[in-house]
Amino acid sequence: KAGVTQTPRYLIKTRGQQVTLSCSPISGHRSVSWYQQTPGQGLQFLFEYFSETQRNKGNFPGRFSGRQFSNSRSEMNVSTLELGDSALYLCASSYVAGGFYNEQFFGPGTRLTVL
Amino acid sequence: TQLLEQSPQFLSIQEGENLTVYCNSSSVFSSLQWYRQEPGEGPVLLVTVVTGGEVKKLKRLTFQFGDARKDSSLHITAAQTGDTGLYLCAASGGSQGNLIFGKGTKLSVKP
Repeated sequence: KAGVTQTPRYLIKTRGQQVTLSCSPISGHRSVSWYQQTPGQGLQFLFEYFSETQRNKGNFPGRFSGRQFSNSRSEMNVSTLELGDSALYLCASSYVAGGFYNEQFFGPGTRLTVL
Repeated sequence: TQLLEQSPQFLSIQEGENLTVYCNSSSVFSSLQWYRQEPGEGPVLLVTVVTGGEVKKLKRLTFQFGDARKDSSLHITAAQTGDTGLYLCAASGGSQGNLIFGKGTKLSVKP
């Protein structure tokens, strides 16, 4: 079974631009979560989508948004990029949303650099 | 805010040594997970512990969940260079039931 895939793997943008990242979950998984990972803050939860609906949202500004399609693929968008948005963006999928174990399977991430 | 505190933050050892890393919180969790992340990759789930006092073994890795389900430890016996990576603990504890992560222990095993 193929794992979680994320595209692109690396991205360089300048301040003020916007960016869209894509995530394809494991086949059959309907929940997709997004995380931002930085050396200082570690892994921070952005949002979770289940069956095309945003189920949970972390404490990030409205510049961060996402969506999920009927095939469970998900995209996240960051508008008006700031230097502090430079990070590894990770997508994780799970069969159900939440769940007792809430075990998630991560993609390799997209490394975003904002200049 | 529920927090997971991991210690030590960094650990550098020689191949063959034993080590233990810790994950502590003041909150009670229904389950706790350990992940390992290698440079340039996403975290990979190692184990989920559910019952207070539970011990799980994965080859040379031993995971323990505290009796009160507030803390956990990971012990590695006879570390190998392939054990190098960032070890993260995680638990369902966000305000919306989302997964929260500790900041991790960065382990370096030298030959």
